[in-house]
Amino acid sequence: ELKVEQNPLFLSMQEGKNYTIYCNYSTTSDRLYWYRQDPGKSLESLFVLLSNGAVKQEGRLMASLDTKARLSTLHITAAVHDLSATYFCAGGNTGKLIFGQGTTLQVKP
Amino acid sequence: NAGVTQTPKFQVLKTGQSMTLQCAQDMNHNSMYWYRQDPGMGLRLIYYSASEGTTDKGEVPNGYNVSRLNKREFSLRLESAAPSQTSVYFCASKKQGSYEQYFGPGTRLTVT
Repeated sequence: ELKVEQNPLFLSMQEGKNYTIYCNYSTTSDRLYWYRQDPGKSLESLFVLLSNGAVKQEGRLMASLDTKARLSTLHITAAVHDLSATYFCAGGNTGKLIFGQGTTLQVKP
Repeated sequence: NAGVTQTPKFQVLKTGQSMTLQCAQDMNHNSMYWYRQDPGMGLRLIYYSASEGTTDKGEVPNGYNVSRLNKREFSLRLESAAPSQTSVYFCASKKQGSYEQYFGPGTRLTVT
């Protein structure tokens, strides 16, 4: 049974700093997803990673996937306040997603 | 294109009451999903429907039933609500052959 764990669960950082959120998963997953959720809002899809070594970037966010290590990372470059949100990774097969606990990111001026 | 819509947005129930959460999508997607989100946790899959006419259990199906009314609509029913079902419920849909799930705005349910 797939289990997905994120760390850290809470991250407070200064604007302009870099940091990485880690997502470990326990068994084979067809693909790995990253979502963003603002307080009281729905989930917004950020990245879908399909294969080992996949790397995707959008603005200050970059996601990567290492299927051998069963690890995905979400790297934040030069954080800005607008990136404050909760970030979820999720894995799964045949569309049935298993989510991590989420990482709440707070970016301070 | 409204995407995925859910009704109601908020609901308060007393223990033992029943209700149905509605979800509809206008993107002609084949697959639809119901998740719940509890504080400090990620989403957990309740039920899903890979295509019209089929439904299957997810991680946490106990206390719920679903109906895939047609290709557009997928409803979630609580027959006898319990306080443990207080949660935010999200519906999602996915196009066949695609990877991405599109989420609705959510229904915030409180059971007292």
